[in-house]
Amino acid sequence: QKEVEQNSGPLSVPEGAIASLNCTYSDRGSQSFFWYRQYSGKSPELIMSIYSNGDKEDGRFTAQLNKASQYVSLLIRDSQPSDSATYLCAVNKAGGYNKLIFGAGTRLAVHP
Amino acid sequence: NAGVTQTPKFRILKIGQSMTLQCTQDMNHNYMYWYRQDPGMGLKLIYYSVGAGITDKGEVPNGYNVSRSTTEDFPLRLELAAPSQTSVYFCASSSQQGLNTEAFFGQGTRLTVV
Repeated sequence: QKEVEQNSGPLSVPEGAIASLNCTYSDRGSQSFFWYRQYSGKSPELIMSIYSNGDKEDGRFTAQLNKASQYVSLLIRDSQPSDSATYLCAVNKAGGYNKLIFGAGTRLAVHP
Repeated sequence: NAGVTQTPKFRILKIGQSMTLQCTQDMNHNYMYWYRQDPGMGLKLIYYSVGAGITDKGEVPNGYNVSRSTTEDFPLRLELAAPSQTSVYFCASSSQQGLNTEAFFGQGTRLTVV
């Protein structure tokens, strides 16, 4: 079982729609969860972090965390072509030294 | 406002050669990481460090070595380059203050082994 799992996509949505990206993790002790966006040929950049169960909203982005189900998601409202990128879920494993583990990423394509 | 700096940006190595990928950060972060990213894939953790003098293996450490003699620097050493090590390498750092462990990334090093 992979430590952090994501559907690789591509996820294709029309401009203006809601894009929903999902991630599951295996370590129940994980405490910090992140969504990074990576444009082709560029470094990952942080767009959302979430630490407690529930929703966290920041502009068009909403992160959702359910620790009981070991599930974290990212919603992008009013999707724009500029949102087309790979979205990486990252989990900070607990216990001993914290390790930041990434999923394989989901490629999002927003078409006009 | 440098953040995390990696050198070189690009490198071609012949099989069996060795090299060191350099990484330095100026944010006084205690945690530093090395990841590799193969085409179309996510980031795989190679090694990480929680502070000067302390390093630990990640998911894919074979074929690599690291050291951390200062807070700022975290070089990655490839001793005997193999084609399987062709990848983009990212260095990252974080402060690990409570739950906020946001990682900041360097621009990456694109390595090709031929």
